[in-house]
Amino acid sequence: DTEVTQTPKHLVMGMTNKKSLKCEQHMGHRAMYWYKQKAKKPPELMFVYSYEKLSINESVPSRFSPECPNSSLLNLHLHALQPEDSALYLCASTPLGQSYGYTFGSGTRLTVV
Amino acid sequence: GENVEQHPSTLSVQEGDSAVIKCTYSDSASNYFPWYKQELGKRPQLIIDIRSNVGEKKDQRIAVTLNKTAKHFSLHITETQPEDSAVYFCAAPYQAGTALIFGKGTTLSVSS
Repeated sequence: DTEVTQTPKHLVMGMTNKKSLKCEQHMGHRAMYWYKQKAKKPPELMFVYSYEKLSINESVPSRFSPECPNSSLLNLHLHALQPEDSALYLCASTPLGQSYGYTFGSGTRLTVV
Repeated sequence: GENVEQHPSTLSVQEGDSAVIKCTYSDSASNYFPWYKQELGKRPQLIIDIRSNVGEKKDQRIAVTLNKTAKHFSLHITETQPEDSAVYFCAAPYQAGTALIFGKGTTLSVSS
């Protein structure tokens, strides 16, 4: 399995809702990442997990809460989002210690209404 | 931390022409430079990459060159085709780690 799987593919949520995005990989990668991508912009790094521990948080608002319950799974919990948080959320993974073999998931298209 | 600048932001060429996109980086410790292609509504896809011990790498119509002294690297696409139309991003490692940060992107349009 050489894929990173993200679910759901699309999500519409209200500003008072709580939802979660899920990312899964079975390549044995021990580094996993969350990115946010707005239309016509580059992916922006949000969080980095190494060996299931949060190693980088790029000053992301607390309404985004990441979680890495095991080496294959990465979640992003969403609460009290704003319309400007609408974007494509991409997950990626790599073997630990290298940027080579960076694999992106297909993303979750999030719309906050 | 690393900063990646990419130029131009848009590029229009005729089918069969060559296209060149340039990026500069700030961290001299960076050692890996990938290029991604993103079509509308899809995820970024790696098209070519280069490591710092190599000056040039080629894969069919695509090539990447690296100048470590000047801290810049370039994507070259020859004999462009309409299906090359997409947004292209360069990237470099962030804080000497494994995460990548991306340039602002170049929208390439190839007209037939």
